[in-house]
Amino acid sequence: DVKVTQSSRYLVKRTGEKVFLECVQDMDHENMFWYRQDPGLGLRLIYFSYDVKMKEKGDIPEGYSVSREKKERFSLILESASTNQTSMYLCASSLWSGYSNQPQHFGDGTRLSIL
Amino acid sequence: AQTVTQSQPEMSVQEAETVTLSCTYDTSENNYYLFWYKQPPSRQMILVIRQEAYKQQNATENRFSVNFQKAAKSFSLKISDSQLGDTAMYFCAFTTGTASKLTFGTGTRLQVTL
Repeated sequence: DVKVTQSSRYLVKRTGEKVFLECVQDMDHENMFWYRQDPGLGLRLIYFSYDVKMKEKGDIPEGYSVSREKKERFSLILESASTNQTSMYLCASSLWSGYSNQPQHFGDGTRLSIL
Repeated sequence: AQTVTQSQPEMSVQEAETVTLSCTYDTSENNYYLFWYKQPPSRQMILVIRQEAYKQQNATENRFSVNFQKAAKSFSLKISDSQLGDTAMYFCAFTTGTASKLTFGTGTRLQVTL
């Protein structure tokens, strides 16, 4: 089974801090994604990566950046955390088959609180 | 813009009964893929079922089946013989062509009761 591991289940940080959320997958997937999940809004894509050192903005990239130095690891960075970034963050990965019919596999999520 | 609409924020069904969750989507693409994901209270999102838009036959996975109406851009999920373990948030999502990004709906919270 594919395993997507997020480094923290719960995280509390202060306004203005630089925050790193880490995600590792063990199935050699090309694609990796970061979402935030908020009640009533579903999942919204922040950034995704289809290869090492490659990244593309999703729907809500403002205030975030990402890093993918190795294929298995995809990091989400909050450059200067703000209270409106308090949310559940989900990481996912998927195989690239030439088509987008491959399902995404998700981690357990990180509940981030910015005080 | 591509959108997914789930008009039922919450639903409840008794154990062993059948329930249908609705989903509509909007895209100008002709080639796309549709998914239903389940997020139980333990939070890990898992795939329930998927459908290729070019296939006319509705997908089924054990107790889960879809009613895919391409002209109406509708993709509903039917859960038969509901079980307590089906209690979860259900998200409808789709992706187009060769892109890998998923567009999600806002979710339906399903509660299965005794």
